[in-house]
Amino acid sequence: DQQVKQNSPSLSVQEGRISILNCDYTNSMFDYFLWYKKYPAEGPTFLISISSIKDKNEDGRFTVFLNKSAKHLSLHIVPSQPGDSAVYFCAASVIYGTSYGKLTFGQGTILTVHP
Amino acid sequence: EAQVTQNPRYLITVTGKKLTVTCSQNMNHEYMSWYRQDPGLGLRQIYYSMNVEVTDKGDVPEGYKVSRKEKRNFPLILESPSPNQTSLYFCASSLDQNTDTQYFGPGTRLTVL
Repeated sequence: DQQVKQNSPSLSVQEGRISILNCDYTNSMFDYFLWYKKYPAEGPTFLISISSIKDKNEDGRFTVFLNKSAKHLSLHIVPSQPGDSAVYFCAASVIYGTSYGKLTFGQGTILTVHP
Repeated sequence: EAQVTQNPRYLITVTGKKLTVTCSQNMNHEYMSWYRQDPGLGLRQIYYSMNVEVTDKGDVPEGYKVSRKEKRNFPLILESPSPNQTSLYFCASSLDQNTDTQYFGPGTRLTVL
């Protein structure tokens, strides 16, 4: 049972345009969400996160939006650059007090940004 | 340089031949874990360790063993590998369970024939 789903296996955008990557979750206990980026032959690297007490978090060109009622989050990249081409994983966690529970990952979305 | 290292990076083996994938981090992190990545399934946690001599099962622990005798190392052991363990494996670490960001190693691609 996939508790975190990225329903688009791939996304192709033009350089300079907006990339929107989507993620849905089914477990209402999740209250912390992260995006990781992965280049070929490398491990995933942390990109941005959001707590369920917020609905938006921004870091430079990257913004994550959280819609708790819809159990949906999205990552916006503006403007997209060819170096953003990678696999993007959405992940979710439950926070226990001050401790983070294990990460549950989505399947990943391959983003290709064309020059 | 702060990093998580894994060895080997690539391994082809045969069914039943015991193997160990090593993982080492130089950041004095307490928390370490192993994941496998499979097409259409994302990353799934195999085992994790909150500190030395403390390990616990993740989502897919069957067929794997781990040990945490020292803080920096967290080897993954396949006592009798089978073809369904062909996968891309990642080791990860974080400061502790109160830290959200995990640092991943470069991955080990394992093929079991």
